[in-house]
Amino acid sequence: DADVTQTPRNRITKTGKRIMLECSQTKGHDRMYWYRQDPGLGLQLIYYSFDVKDINKGEISDGYSVSRQAQAKFSLSLESAIPNQTALYFCATSDGRQGFGNEQFFGPGTRLTVL
Amino acid sequence: GEDVEQSLFLSVREGDSSVINCTYTDSSSTYLYWYKQEPGAGLQLLTYIFSNMDMKQDQRLTVLLNKKDKHLSLRIADTQTGDSAIYFCAEANSGYSTLTFGKGTMLLVSP
Repeated sequence: DADVTQTPRNRITKTGKRIMLECSQTKGHDRMYWYRQDPGLGLQLIYYSFDVKDINKGEISDGYSVSRQAQAKFSLSLESAIPNQTALYFCATSDGRQGFGNEQFFGPGTRLTVL
Repeated sequence: GEDVEQSLFLSVREGDSSVINCTYTDSSSTYLYWYKQEPGAGLQLLTYIFSNMDMKQDQRLTVLLNKKDKHLSLRIADTQTGDSAIYFCAEANSGYSTLTFGKGTMLLVSP
C-alpha cells in the first residue's frame, strides 16, 4: 500500500464550486505539505503543517485553505474554484526530527481541472 | 529569499552520460536534494547531499557540490531510456522547515 495517498486522483469542476482534496499518510510523519505544479513552473508551496495545531501559509496560499484533521490527514480546499487553479496538486510528508533534513515523500498527485 | 535555478531541458543518447546542473542562493542550505518525476507520477527522492560533502556517488548517480559557487550537479552514467523524466533540484532552508524546488529539468533519452 502507498504511504501517501491522495483522493481524488482526477477532478473536473466548474468555476465557483468548492472543492476539497484529501491526503492521508501511514508514515507516521508529523509534517505535511500541499504543492501545486504547473508546467514550466516547478512546484509551488501552498500550505504546510508541522502538527495538528500548526498551519503555515506557503508562497501561493491565496484562494486556498487547509485543515489538519489528524496527524495522518491534511486536506486542501478551494473555496471558489477558478480556471487558473487548474493544475496538478501534490501532498507530501516529512519527519521533523533533527537529522532527517526535511526529506519529503510525495503522494501520486491530483489532477484538477476548473472549467 | 531562496531561489533554485535549473536548465529546463536536456537531450542525450542512450548509453551517454547526462549532467543536470542547478544553482541555489541560500548559503546556509544544509541539505540539497535531487528528485525524479516520471510521467503521471509524484516526485521520488533520487539522492541527496549534505553540505559538508563535495561529492556523493550512488551506483550510476554522482552528485557534485561546489559550495563556493552554490552549484550542484547530478551526473547519470550510462543513461537509459527509463531515465527519461523530470529532475528537480531542491534545497532545505536553514530551519529545515521547507524545501525550495527548482523548475525541473526534463531529460529525454533517445535510443
